[in-house]
Amino acid sequence: EVQLVESGGGLIQPGGSLRLSCAASGFSMIGNYMTWVRQAPGKGLEWVSVLYTGGSKYYADSVKGRFTISRDDSKNTLYLQMNNLRAEDTAVYFCARSPNFGDGMDVWGQGTTVSVSS
Amino acid sequence: QSALTQPASVSGSPGQSITISCTGTSSDIGSFNLVSWYQHHPGKAPKLMICEVTKRPSGVSSRFSGSKSGNTASLTISGLQADDEADYYCCSYAGSSTYVFGTGTKVTVL
Repeated sequence: EVQLVESGGGLIQPGGSLRLSCAASGFSMIGNYMTWVRQAPGKGLEWVSVLYTGGSKYYADSVKGRFTISRDDSKNTLYLQMNNLRAEDTAVYFCARSPNFGDGMDVWGQGTTVSVSS
Repeated sequence: QSALTQPASVSGSPGQSITISCTGTSSDIGSFNLVSWYQHHPGKAPKLMICEVTKRPSGVSSRFSGSKSGNTASLTISGLQADDEADYYCCSYAGSSTYVFGTGTKVTVL
């Protein structure tokens, strides 16, 4: 079964760091575009970052310079390193797969919750 | 990277058709045929309903269709059913390898 499972969320103080993981099963991340999307409480979906098949990485302006997307091919796992966290980063974070550039995100995880609060 | 504009809510009776609009700019929707639509039941994983403006992934009901005119994309749900009640989001490629989602629309089946 093709599946994505996120983990690593939790409660963190402002200015702190957290690393989210997204484990894939049933397919290899290597040949896919992998994306992080978040949803703040009561808000809509927000695109956060994408890792292209060739290794290029791109970020939303709201997280650029603070978040880093990466992938461990040996573990078939996607990561999102989040530094200097702010209250406005509080959200459910989803990872998602796109088989090709321009394709929609056809496989999503259930999400992991990040709460930034003192 | 401003969010695409969607109506906050749309409703319809079972069997009816509804259309959700998604308005962007000439820098996103207007420049690329890379609009996708997602159905999201709160607490669950979003589901891809339409990609590349009009393409329906395998397994998605033919009651869902997409279109685009200028800077506005649309999702039409025909033969509305109770389990269509959910939040719907559009998403467009915005150039420079960035993407933007819509503000979201809550669909209510009366």
